[in-house]
Parts: sequence; C-alpha cells; structure tokens
Amino acid sequence: GQQVMQIPQYQHVQEGEDFTTYCNSSTTLSNIQWYKQRPGGHPVFLIQLVKSGEVKKQKRLTFQFGEAKKNSSLHITATQTTDVGTYFCAGEENQGGKLIFGQGTELSVKP
Amino acid sequence: GAGVSQSPSNKVTEKGKDVELRCDPISGHTALYWYRQRLGQGLEFLIYFQGNSAPDKSGLPSDRFSAERTGESVSTLTIQRTQQEDSAVYLCASSQWTGYFYEQYFGPGTRLTVT
Repeated sequence: GQQVMQIPQYQHVQEGEDFTTYCNSSTTLSNIQWYKQRPGGHPVFLIQLVKSGEVKKQKRLTFQFGEAKKNSSLHITATQTTDVGTYFCAGEENQGGKLIFGQGTELSVKP
Repeated sequence: GAGVSQSPSNKVTEKGKDVELRCDPISGHTALYWYRQRLGQGLEFLIYFQGNSAPDKSGLPSDRFSAERTGESVSTLTIQRTQQEDSAVYLCASSQWTGYFYEQYFGPGTRLTVT
C-alpha cells in the first residue's frame, strides 16, 4: 500500500538557523498537505500543494512539491522558538480524501 | 464555529475491558477519520468514512477495533478487550471537499491508557 516517509525524525537547531524536512511517497500523489502539531496539541493544517513543481510560501515557510508529485519539502528560514513542534506531511493518492501521514519531523529550537 | 470535539479527553481502563471513544465532527463535513498516535510517534490511519460510502477500514490493526458513524454525524470507535499496546492518543478528524482537496480538521484527541 501507499507509504509516506519523512526525514529527519528529529532536528535541533539554534534560533535563527534554517530547517528543512523532506517527504517521499511510494506512489504518485494527487496532492500533499502539511500539518503542524505543537507539543501537547493536535495537528493543524498549514498548506496543500496540488500541482507538479508547485512552490508556496507562508512568511518564513516555503513548501515545494516535486515534479513527479512523489516528494515534498518544507523549509523554514531563520527559525524562531514559536516554530517548535512536529511537522507532518500527508499525501493523498487519488482525491478520495484518504490521507497517509509521514512519521513527522520534530523540531526543537534553542533560544 | 465549533470545531471537532472528542470525548472523553482521557480514559484509563484495565486490560481486557472494552472502551468506546466518541467524535463529533464539524457540521456539514462529509468525511471523518480516526487515527492513532502513540507517544512520540506519527499518525497511524485507522478508518475513514465518506458520506454514505462503505468505510475504508484498511488501517484497523485487529478485529478488536471497530467504528461506526451515523450518517454524517457522530462516530464512535470501539476497542474490545483492550491491551496495553492500545495505549495511545486517538485522534478524530473531519473534512469536506474544498474543490481541490480535503483539508482535515482535528479534534483534541482521547488519551487512552490501558493498565
């Protein structure tokens, strides 16, 4: 079945450093979504990418969807302590609504 | 408006007992999902309801797990004869079609502890 792999599992950075998490699917995706889960909280939707090669930005966050629609990345520029949390990618294979989540990347930021 | 709600927020049960977890989705959302999240782990898909279609049960880990949904409203996840490995946070999410994709809204989860 469809698998979504995400790396790294953990990332510890100094405040102000950049951060990137990568997501790879075993199958071609119709779209990919990114969620953030703060410690003790539940996942919250950040963004979705639908088109091949799509790039979207939200302030310091840049999201990319690969040309083959099988991989994606989230890059945070100049991390802040408010960026702490676990970032999940989630892929949808056939627009049926079923999402398969990656294992998440836990980001910690040292002030 | 109201978000996804789940009850109870915490449940401690003895091994071998049955538990029932409840999810109230956002009104009007046709899709409803259950996930399991073990401590420090990712989200494990359990089951997916979409309108009146047959649910996708492909993620249920064993026949001790079952879920029901009445129409496009409340859903219950039942775990029979609980085991210690069932201890986790059980998250429910609901969504509706935006025209391009389904954006999921998560509830706060039910933390299940099996002793």
